[in-house]
Amino acid sequence: VTLLEQNPRWRLVPRGQAVNLRCILKNSQYPWMSWYQQDLQKQLQWLFTLRSPGDKEVKSLPGADYLATRVTDTELRLQVANMSQGRTLYCTCSAALQGARDTQYFGPGTRLLVL
Amino acid sequence: GDSVTQMQGQVTLSEDDFLFINCTYSTTWYPTLFWYVQYPGEGPQLLLKVTTANNKGISRGFEATYDKRTTSFHLQKASVQESDSAVYYCVLGFWNYAQGLTFGLGTRVSVFP
Repeated sequence: VTLLEQNPRWRLVPRGQAVNLRCILKNSQYPWMSWYQQDLQKQLQWLFTLRSPGDKEVKSLPGADYLATRVTDTELRLQVANMSQGRTLYCTCSAALQGARDTQYFGPGTRLLVL
Repeated sequence: GDSVTQMQGQVTLSEDDFLFINCTYSTTWYPTLFWYVQYPGEGPQLLLKVTTANNKGISRGFEATYDKRTTSFHLQKASVQESDSAVYYCVLGFWNYAQGLTFGLGTRVSVFP
């Protein structure tokens, strides 16, 4: 059973341009939603966890700037800007009954390539 | 800070071989320990989970053993199949959700018939 839908699945991003990603939650039993990035060396890194509609967070990492927004109980968005190297962004969901010790379920990912 | 070390970047095996992946971690907190697996073209998925209250986890023929004394968390499987070819990540999770999961660099396992 698919818990998360991510779109687009891939995108070519001209250098200097921002891109917006969406993640849709299919099962409300797993309301804690997060973003993770995976770099070209396959290293996975946590970015954000947002629980409530209206929550927003920003973060700058080597190679990209991020703005995450929890739009509704079922939709999470991520804006990626100033990206210098390709990467894959994964949305996750969890019941979080034990905080981050609960299982996190990963979506299929959005692969970003820099033009 | 918290860290996870997987020394083996790549492991190449034949079917029915024994798989062993070593993982050590460093943290001042009480973690839950995970192994996640990522198949080509897919997102990571949970393979198994071990808390510090119990020392072992078993799933799909894989076994993970936790040793608090050496802060190690090894993954093993007695007899691998070609379908086990994937990247395996050793992962820490904490109560505080604001920390997210901490991933090791991953071990690419390739199994040939």
